[in-house]
Amino acid sequence: DAKTTQPTSMDCAEGRAANLPCNHSTISGNEYVYWYRQIHSQGPQYIIHGLKNNETNEMASLIITEDRKSSTLILPHATLRDTAVYYCIVRAYQSGNTGKLIFGQGTTLQVKP
Amino acid sequence: DVKVTQSSRYLVKRTGEKVFLECVQDMDHENMFWYRQDPGLGLRLIYFSYDVKMKEKGDIPEGYSVSREKKERFSLILESASTNQTSMYLCASSFGTLYQPQHFGDGTRLSIL
Repeated sequence: DAKTTQPTSMDCAEGRAANLPCNHSTISGNEYVYWYRQIHSQGPQYIIHGLKNNETNEMASLIITEDRKSSTLILPHATLRDTAVYYCIVRAYQSGNTGKLIFGQGTTLQVKP
Repeated sequence: DVKVTQSSRYLVKRTGEKVFLECVQDMDHENMFWYRQDPGLGLRLIYFSYDVKMKEKGDIPEGYSVSREKKERFSLILESASTNQTSMYLCASSFGTLYQPQHFGDGTRLSIL
């Protein structure tokens, strides 16, 4: 699975959009980009994933650059409850893959009033 | 919404005890996973199951066993608990192929004294 690079921490004002970047310059054609978050003392929460097209759901939008070397997770109107560690993961499905998730350091997003 | 329920949020046991951690999902998912999460070590896969009565070892199966008698339930068993098994245990499930996103429970924080 390709390596990802994320900023260690970010701040965002409540009510503003939070834009969390992720670099995955070695991504290959069959690898998906996933985003999860983990609020303190809770289990990770799946947010969104995509292959090459931009994706949107009720929680967030995922913007993937045309060359697929980077992506941005957008929380359109951040609230205090969005304060969490956000993980960007790149993963392929392949025969024999256990499907295990590997979380890197992630980005600690602090939403401030 | 997907619901993955772990039987306990906090558990305290003594060394040498046999410990059972239970996980139930309500979305008819084929795949279920047990991870442990430790500071500085990230998420590590203990076991996973892609079907009833099927199980596969993850990266750190030693000292653990699992049981999946029904599709919705995946149990993790610590055969003889030791202090180095003090950790946050996370159960996850996913639908279909292994690239589908995984949905996590809230975790069980297990302390072995």
